[in-house]
Amino acid sequence: DTAVSQTPKYLVTQMGNDKSIKCEQNLGHDTMYWYKQDSKKFLKIMFSYNNKELIINETVPNRFSPKSPDKAHLNLHINSLELGDSAVYFCASSQDQYAEAFFGQGTRLTVV
Amino acid sequence: SQQGEEDPQALSIQEGENATMNCSYKTSINNLQWYRQNSGRGLVHLILIRSNEREKHSGRLRVTLDTSKKSSSLLITASRAADTASYFCAAYGQNFVFGPGTRLSVLP
Repeated sequence: DTAVSQTPKYLVTQMGNDKSIKCEQNLGHDTMYWYKQDSKKFLKIMFSYNNKELIINETVPNRFSPKSPDKAHLNLHINSLELGDSAVYFCASSQDQYAEAFFGQGTRLTVV
Repeated sequence: SQQGEEDPQALSIQEGENATMNCSYKTSINNLQWYRQNSGRGLVHLILIRSNEREKHSGRLRVTLDTSKKSSSLLITASRAADTASYFCAAYGQNFVFGPGTRLSVLP
């Protein structure tokens, strides 16, 4: 059983499109995250949800919106995609905001 | 934010040698964690050291934490080719940012 799964694994899309990346965890964790890893491998937190409440919202463009239908899911919706959005996006979860995080395999987004 | 910054950015060693990576951060933390990322994969948690701990071991891994210097080190002893990966530290406080990581290459 995959602990943290995200789909799709690869996503190629044109500028201006709207896309979503889904994430699900079966660990019963209370906290979920979205990270962006750029071409230089710098991993930056984008959002964090704790029991469906946003607790971290870094200065990301408002074109990015996290949506959590329940504690086990945290989806990432991106509007009006730009070339600079190309990166690998990782979903992760942890028991609480200080505990070890379990990462998904990543979604490689390419905007053309 | 308590950004973790690893040093060196890249490290190449022979199998059997020890590898040491360092991490610095900026403000007070609850704990510091080290992760490994194999190429094209997600991060895997290696070890967590709390702010009141100074040293921790897990198998061939040894982590130290110096809160006065706001730094940590990860030592991998008797390295293997399978240890080839990128290693990241993350300093956990109110929020956290991973550094760019250290790319470790272990040559057979």
